Amino acid sequence: EAGVAQSPRYKIIEKRQSVAFWCNPISGHATLYWYQQILGQGPKLLIQFQNNGVVDDSQLPKDRFSAERLKGVDSTLKIQPAKLEDSAVYLCASSWSTSETDTQYFGPGTRLTVL
Amino acid sequence: AQSVTQLDSHVSVSEGTPVLLRCNYSSSYSPSLFWYVQHPNKGLQLLLKYTSAATLVKGINGFEAEFKKSETSFHLTKPSAHMSDAAEYFCVVRTSGTYKYIFGTGTRLKVLA
Repeated sequence: EAGVAQSPRYKIIEKRQSVAFWCNPISGHATLYWYQQILGQGPKLLIQFQNNGVVDDSQLPKDRFSAERLKGVDSTLKIQPAKLEDSAVYLCASSWSTSETDTQYFGPGTRLTVL
Repeated sequence: AQSVTQLDSHVSVSEGTPVLLRCNYSSSYSPSLFWYVQHPNKGLQLLLKYTSAATLVKGINGFEAEFKKSETSFHLTKPSAHMSDAAEYFCVVRTSGTYKYIFGTGTRLKVLA
C-alpha cells in the first residue's frame, strides 16, 4: 500500500514570498490533515478535511494560509506571504474516517525555511 | 480540554537496557492514546494505540504501553533498547467526540553503544 506522498520535500524562500505544498493521501482515505511542526515542538493541526469539506480550520492563520481539497483526493496548502515564523515542517496525514479510533498515517513532510 | 505532557524531553539509555518514556494526559472523557515515532527526515510512524480495550498495548518493534486511568498515564516501554530505536517519540491524545490529535512536545531517545 502506497503511503502519503508530499512534495516538495524541502523549500527555501524569502519572507513575503509565497509557497505551496502538495499532498496525496492514501487511496480511499476520506480524511486529510495538515500539521505544522516547529522545531522542538509536537505537530499542531492546521486544517482537517473530510472528503472535500473543511471539518476544522480553527488553528489556520487565515490571513496568510489557505488550503483546498477540491476533488476530495489530493490537497494543497499555500502560504502567502510567508513570515520568518512560518519556518517549520509541514506534515500531511490521512485516515479512513474521523472515527476516534482511526489511525492517522503521516507523510514525510515538507521542510520550509523562510529567510 | 485535553492535553498531553511528556515528562522528559531527552532520554539516554545504553544499548540492551530498558527504555521508559513517560506520558501523562488530561482528558474529560475516555481518550484514545497513541505513541508515534519520528526518525530523522522521516514521517511519523504509529508504534501503538489504546482505544479502551486491553490496558496493556503491544506495538511494533517490541514496544508496549500501559494505560493507567488512576494515574492518567500512558508510559512507553521496551525491555531492551536497540541502536535503531534512537528517534523522537510523541505521545498523542484524542478525546471521544473530537477529531483532533493533541501531540506532546516529544521525547528524544538516544541509545548509547
